[in-house]
Amino acid sequence: AQKVTQAQTEISVVEKEDVTLDCVYETRDTTYYLFWYKQPPSGELVFLIRRNSFDEQNEISGRYSWNFQKSTSSFNFTITASQVVDSAVYFCALKANFGNEKLTFGTGTRLTIIP
Amino acid sequence: DARVTQTPRHKVTEMGQEVTMRCQPILGHNTVFWYRQTMMQGLELLAYFRNRAPLDDSGMPKDRFSAEMPDATLATLKIQPSEPRDSAVYFCASGPNDGLGNTIYFGEGSWLTVV
Repeated sequence: AQKVTQAQTEISVVEKEDVTLDCVYETRDTTYYLFWYKQPPSGELVFLIRRNSFDEQNEISGRYSWNFQKSTSSFNFTITASQVVDSAVYFCALKANFGNEKLTFGTGTRLTIIP
Repeated sequence: DARVTQTPRHKVTEMGQEVTMRCQPILGHNTVFWYRQTMMQGLELLAYFRNRAPLDDSGMPKDRFSAEMPDATLATLKIQPSEPRDSAVYFCASGPNDGLGNTIYFGEGSWLTVV
């Protein structure tokens, strides 16, 4: 069985602060993929990043960075110098088992950036 | 800019009425998903198709829900008869099934309210 846990239900930070969203996953598969999606107040789900289980390199994209650690089964997401536009619900998701396309989502973290 | 297109965006209907939601996947994507999002259950997979063939519809209430892909450019999700508990956001998503843990892209969702 696959499981994704986002223990932080809601986070509020003041604009320009850094914030880290936690994601812990469980899977028995050796090959799997991890994703982050953003759901802004308008409601759509926006793809942010995909990571495969063979690549533990951290990734940085502008103010966003992701830290993947297989040893702790974590795939954390950091926003540096947060902005009001970052306010959204962020979902971590897991896809395992080549050929099984199902995405298992965490419950999401609601991030509010206070101006 | 390729995107998954869903209609209707918003639907209010009376209990007992039939509801049909439509989705146009991204051109060239051969895997199509229907997800439902509610406050209580979060994001849950209802069904998915590969090359128009249904692969998994175990998350879908069989007695009232049906999902089809009449052709590669159209997926439909039908509820008949609808019930208030069906009120949710229904997302269609598509992916290329490129064997690389393909990224799944979501539409903007169909917001359904059954009164």
